[in-house]
Amino acid sequence: EAGVAQSPRYKIIEKRQSVAFWCNPISGHATLYWYQQILGQGPKLLIQFQNNGVVDDSQLPKDRFSAERLKGVDSTLKIQPAKLEDSAVYLCASSRLSGGVTDTQYFGPGTRLTVL
Amino acid sequence: EDQVTQSPEALRLQEGESSSLNCSYTVSGLRGLFWYRQDPGKGPEFLFTLYSAGEEKEKERLKATLTKKESFLHITAPKPEDSATYLCAVQAAGSYQLTFGKGTKLSVIP
Repeated sequence: EAGVAQSPRYKIIEKRQSVAFWCNPISGHATLYWYQQILGQGPKLLIQFQNNGVVDDSQLPKDRFSAERLKGVDSTLKIQPAKLEDSAVYLCASSRLSGGVTDTQYFGPGTRLTVL
Repeated sequence: EDQVTQSPEALRLQEGESSSLNCSYTVSGLRGLFWYRQDPGKGPEFLFTLYSAGEEKEKERLKATLTKKESFLHITAPKPEDSATYLCAVQAAGSYQLTFGKGTKLSVIP
């Protein structure tokens, strides 16, 4: 079974520029998550999708971050404009079930973003 | 607010020297406690899920245990390939969000 795919793996941009990350979850997984992991910290949830809909985006900085999940499969996370403090690894995760059961989240390799 | 504290921040062991990592948590009703392993430049890799106090799970040289306030990851006779950062996360009742600790960076020296 193929794992969670993410691209690009690395991105370097200037502050105030925009950037987008792509994620393809494990086939058949209904739930998709985007996390931000700052160096030396654990991952922090940004947004959670169940199929096409947003379940939780309470920690997403909506003035600059946006995310979408088209057709309930692939997802993109965008930052516009980027700030220095956005430098981090952006992790995508997916899980099979969407309700009532503790469900294992499987992570992709992440995209390392450096904002100069 | 859910909180997870992991200790120590870093641990250096000789090959074969057993030890334990600690994860203390505060959560309003525990749905599950998760252990992940993260290698440099990679995403977290799932190890275990524990659901209730007294539960234990094992995988190769790793054994995870759970009490009402903390979880331990015991590493028996570690090898250099066990070197990684070990992350603990909790999921509260009524939520699907994982709250992670900062991790313990384990180095196993040959």
